[in-house]
This record gives sequence, structure tokens and C-alpha cells, in this order.
Amino acid sequence: EIVLTQSPVTLSLSPGERATLSCRASQSVNSYLAWYQQKPGQAPRLLIFDASNRATGIPARFSGSGSGTDFTLTISSLEPEDFAVYYCQQRINWPLTFGGGTKVEIK
Amino acid sequence: EVQVVESGGGLVEPGGSLRLSCAVSGFTFTDAWMSWVRQAPGKGLEWVGRIKSRTDGETTEYAAPVKGRFTISRDDSKNTLYLQMNSLQTEDTGVYYCTRSQCGRGCPGLNWFDPWGQGTLVTVSS
Repeated sequence: EIVLTQSPVTLSLSPGERATLSCRASQSVNSYLAWYQQKPGQAPRLLIFDASNRATGIPARFSGSGSGTDFTLTISSLEPEDFAVYYCQQRINWPLTFGGGTKVEIK
Repeated sequence: EVQVVESGGGLVEPGGSLRLSCAVSGFTFTDAWMSWVRQAPGKGLEWVGRIKSRTDGETTEYAAPVKGRFTISRDDSKNTLYLQMNSLQTEDTGVYYCTRSQCGRGCPGLNWFDPWGQGTLVTVSS
């Protein structure tokens, strides 16, 4: 099973700041990595697929990069609605696995 | 407008059974590969299983913790996905999400998930 390790666990930032979230895989997943956002009491929402492709309707301030085992989700300038938990997910091997999440909270 | 609506959650005793449903509209369900993903209270996301479309054989894949106890099926005439859960354990407690498995036939790699339903809560407790 591929283990995805997200860091940091919690990121405390102010609106307008840049957020950099990391996801590291226990083995190469090529570029087969997705990112999701989840707000309290809501379902996850797809942000990025295949490492760097924004999903439909996702603002340009969200960007993804990386390949192999190291990936980054960047939010260029945090909006109030961006404070949430973010998960990465690999799709190269069964079982499909998620990272443990990074909570982006208001400082 | 795309809608994914789960139902059927509730309280069940350990060892019991429950069937979840997921009603879909706004995309062509018959072509869609679908998955269930769950989330234990206060925890992260865990993929449960996937079913391909009828055209692609309706084959299923399951995560190890649920294999042999859970069964995913679909009724294309009703645009509905099901999750039959048997021999439920306390560790099966959580919110169960229905989601479309993107990147299906002919696409390299496995799936990402979009869109998602709002989830239905399953509580396994005596």
C-alpha cells in the first residue's frame, strides 16, 4: 500500500498569505496525484488532478506541482473561504489511498 | 446540475447489516464508474470500493478492511448506486460518501474522485 504523508499537519496563516502544502509518497506515483479541499460538515471537493491540472471551476490561486514522490499544493493568496483541510490522493496502485490531511487555519 | 445524494445511513448493532443508496443526476450514470469513500469521525478519508460501468463489465474492487463484507452494485435504470454492508464492526462507523471515479476506460492509471455527495452517517454501536 502506498502511504502518503502530508506536512505540516496544521498550517496557521493569515488571509492574503501564501500557503504551501506538501504530500510525500512512499513510492513513486508518477504524476497520478490529486488534491481535495474539505470544509467542516461538507464533502471533499476536487481541486487538482494529475499533480497540476486544476479541476473545473477552481480558482487560479490554487496550483499543484511535483512528480514521483514529492508534491506541493500552493495557494498563492489565501481567501477567507480557503481555510479548510486539504487531502492528497494517489491513483497509481490499489488500494487508492489518501494522505492524512493538512489543516489550514486562520492565524 | 450534477447531484449525488446518499441515503440509508443510521444506527446498527455490531454484526448487523445496512444498505446505502446513492441517487445520481446531471451526468450519464450508465457510463460512470463509481466509488464509495468513508470518513471516520474526526479522521481522514478512506477509499472503500469501486464499480465499473455495465459496458466495462461492472467489475468491482474493494479495500482490504471491507472485502468479503461489503458489496457495491448499481441499478442503471434508477441511476442509483448501492453499498451493501454486512457483518458491520464498530470501526466501520463514519460518513460514507458516494463519488464518481474519474479517468475510466482507456485512461492510464486508476481514479480520482469528482463529484461527491454530501455523505450519509453510519454508526455501528451496541
